[in-house]
Amino acid sequence: GAVVSQHPSWVICKSGTSVKIECRSLDFQATTMFWYRQFPKQSLMLMATSNEGSKATYEQGVEKDKFLINHASLTLSTLTVTSAHPEDSSFYICSPLGNEQFFGPGTRLTVL
Amino acid sequence: EDQVTQSPEALRLQEGESSSLNCSYTVSGLRGLFWYRQDPGKGPEFLFTLYSAGEEKEKERLKATLTKKESFLHITAPKPEDSATYLCAVQVSGGGADGLTFGKGTHLIIQP
Repeated sequence: GAVVSQHPSWVICKSGTSVKIECRSLDFQATTMFWYRQFPKQSLMLMATSNEGSKATYEQGVEKDKFLINHASLTLSTLTVTSAHPEDSSFYICSPLGNEQFFGPGTRLTVL
Repeated sequence: EDQVTQSPEALRLQEGESSSLNCSYTVSGLRGLFWYRQDPGKGPEFLFTLYSAGEEKEKERLKATLTKKESFLHITAPKPEDSATYLCAVQVSGGGADGLTFGKGTHLIIQP
């Protein structure tokens, strides 16, 4: 199956700072990448869909100016949480489009 | 609106005690139904994709089935290492790439 990595695996930051999360598709080219977040004891919720070389599309209720997504290559997509606040603390997971929809290992973001 | 409902929310079984997890769905058009296993602090681990009613797939002690309204994940003679949260998700048919809509999961505990 597809091998997906995320970096960092966890990050703690102060309120107001920005955090960048990288998602790499290691063994195949991902034209489309999905970004999800998961709050404690809840299920995964789709945040946005990024396509290589074009703008991302965001789900209803997700601020596009706060969650910046860049999909500059077929193997790398990044999610930047700008001016992070405690309510952005969550588990962020990426998933490249594929028949079996594999997921990355996730990034735990804690905003103090 | 697409909906995925999983039951029960939590299930505690003795080792060797077989059971089934339910995932009922309401979607405009089903492209695929996915089952994942998620351990605490980790990304979902892909188990199965089912595409059409009547389809069945097996992997070790797990067997997934699909009807037009629901899917079951049957666990036969479970072991403590099968303890995890099991997530069901649907992908709807449409013109473009669509992310998954997840249920809230079933938290399964297998006691030795």
